[in-house]
Amino acid sequence: QKEVEQNSGPLSVPEGAIASLNCTYSDRGSQSFFWYRQYSGKSPELIMFIYSNGDKEDGRFTAQLNKASQYVSLLIRDSQPSDSATYLCAVNGSSNTGKLIFGQGTTLQVKP
Amino acid sequence: DAGITQSPRHKVTETGTPVTLRCHQTENHRYMYWYRQDPGHGLRLIHYSYGVKDTDKGEVSDGYSVSRSKTEDFLLTLESATSSQTSVYFCAISARRGTGELFFGEGSRLTVL
Repeated sequence: QKEVEQNSGPLSVPEGAIASLNCTYSDRGSQSFFWYRQYSGKSPELIMFIYSNGDKEDGRFTAQLNKASQYVSLLIRDSQPSDSATYLCAVNGSSNTGKLIFGQGTTLQVKP
Repeated sequence: DAGITQSPRHKVTETGTPVTLRCHQTENHRYMYWYRQDPGHGLRLIHYSYGVKDTDKGEVSDGYSVSRSKTEDFLLTLESATSSQTSVYFCAISARRGTGELFFGEGSRLTVL
């Protein structure tokens, strides 16, 4: 059973701080990794993807991948109240068909 | 906006009745997916399609069937709905051929009494 694990939270950070969200996965053959953001009552939206070991930055977001340790993380710098949402980690297996395995999500609360 | 619409958006039905959810896309994407989302389980893949008449099972396919007779429409059918199928159902398309860069529809909330 391929699994993706996330701490459900809530993770609470003050406005302006760095939020760090973590995810581990069980399938060592996984090829690509995704972070989706989901506001309450809304559909998930893709915010970051990473395919290679290391860091990938996009604005205030940085995705980090460590395949040897089988974890992927998302850093949100200068957190804003509008970042308050559930963040879903997802992993694409070696077949690369877009059949994602999702974690349960981490709820982030950014307090003004 | 990836041009994905789901219908119906809300439905209440009774155990044992058939239900069909429709996903319609306007941008000719080849890969389409049906996920369900439940508290404590996150999103789980039910079925996916990689072309007209080409479909395959996901991790929670029991009790569901799908059809794709046209590129733009992907139908999810519950032949005989059960209370365990009460969920929010999301359709998604792959923005880039078979990658996990998915765009989701707005979701269909199904309640089975």
